[in-house]
This record gives sequence, C-alpha cells and structure tokens, in this order.
Amino acid sequence: AQKITQTQPGMFVQEKEAVTLDCTYDTSDPSYGLFWYKQPSSGEMIFLIYQGSYDQQNATEGRYSLNFQKARKSANLVISASQLGDSAMYFCAMRGTANFGNEKLTFGTGTRLTIIP
Amino acid sequence: GAVVSQHPSRVICKSGTSVKIECRSLDFQATTMFWYRQFPKQSLMLMATSNEGSKATYEQGVEKDKFLINHASLTLSTLTVTSAHPEDSSFYICSASSDRANQPQHFGDGTRLSIL
Repeated sequence: AQKITQTQPGMFVQEKEAVTLDCTYDTSDPSYGLFWYKQPSSGEMIFLIYQGSYDQQNATEGRYSLNFQKARKSANLVISASQLGDSAMYFCAMRGTANFGNEKLTFGTGTRLTIIP
Repeated sequence: GAVVSQHPSRVICKSGTSVKIECRSLDFQATTMFWYRQFPKQSLMLMATSNEGSKATYEQGVEKDKFLINHASLTLSTLTVTSAHPEDSSFYICSASSDRANQPQHFGDGTRLSIL
C-alpha cells in the first residue's frame, strides 16, 4: 500500500519569499513517480511537477522545484519568489509504477498556501 | 499541454434525478480515466478506474450501481449518478492518462453537483 503524508494543513507566506511544502511517502514499490498538483479555489487540478524514483536529479519547472530525498522518503515542493496567484491548495501524490500513466494516484491531505501581500 | 474537458461544470437538480457527467480527452488518447470525489476541504478520493472498452474497477465502498461509469472510446468516459440524493452532493473530478511513460494524469475542471 502507498501512503502520502502532508503535515502542514495551512501555511502563510509573505509575497516574494520562497516556500517549502512538505511531503513524505511510504511505498513498497521499487519504482514509483511523485507528483505535485495545485488546486485553486475554482477547483481545477493543475499539474506542477513530476519526479521519478530513479531520476538522478531533482526536478525543476520554472519557479517550482522538487527536493527529492529518496533515503528519507521525502519529496518537498519548493516555490521560489512566491506570488499572490500561488495561493491555493497543494497536493502531493504518488503512483506505484513510474513508467506508466494508467496507475492510480494516491493523494496526500493537502496544504493550503496563502500568500500575504 | 494535454487538455481534459469535463461537463457540466455545475449541476443543481432535484432528489431522484440521474445526472450524467462527461470527461473528454481533447488532444490525446486516454487508455485510462479516473473518477474522483472531493468533499469540502478534503483531498481527492478515487471512486473508480475506467479502461476503454472494459468494465470500470471501483474502489472499496463505492456503489457501482449508484455510480455508473462508461468508457466507450479512447476520448470519452461518463459518470452517471443514478437517482441522486442530497448526500451525493459533492465535487466530482475526472482525470485521464495515456500509457506513455512518465506522463502525469491530466484533470478536468470538475463538476459541482448539488442535489436539493
């Protein structure tokens, strides 16, 4: 079984500061993929970043980077230079088999990020 | 990027009505689609996995006769909430994926269902 833990139910961050959203996971699968999604108040789920368990380097996508520490089973999302539009719910998720898209995702409980002007 | 279209975005109807929600992948063939339910301030709960041309796989505790899923083509899956009651009111969201390596699931914009 897979489990995702997000221990920060809510965070308040000053605009332009960097923010780290925590995510730890547990799985017995030797190969897996880790994802971060953003959900604004309108409800849509926006894919942000992906990290495969065998990727040697941490994933980066613009202002988003994933701090992947495999031995610690953590996959924290780092947002640099936060903007007001970053205010949203953020979900960490994992999929059991890194190389296929048809495996179901396991989601964490989410972190509500609020950027303060 | 990949686009998934979900309709309708909002439904308000009377108790006892059946409601159909459509999920379409617009620019890729979705071999698998997923249906989730989300209660306010909670995470997404997977309801079922839908594979094109075969029966859906439902998660434990989800009534398959209540939530009918059809995945008739590689671009369309439908969720029908049959004889809906107020407790079925929720946010329903679909996602679609191909079998391409390392590709994320792409989500529709969700359907907010309110049963009076």
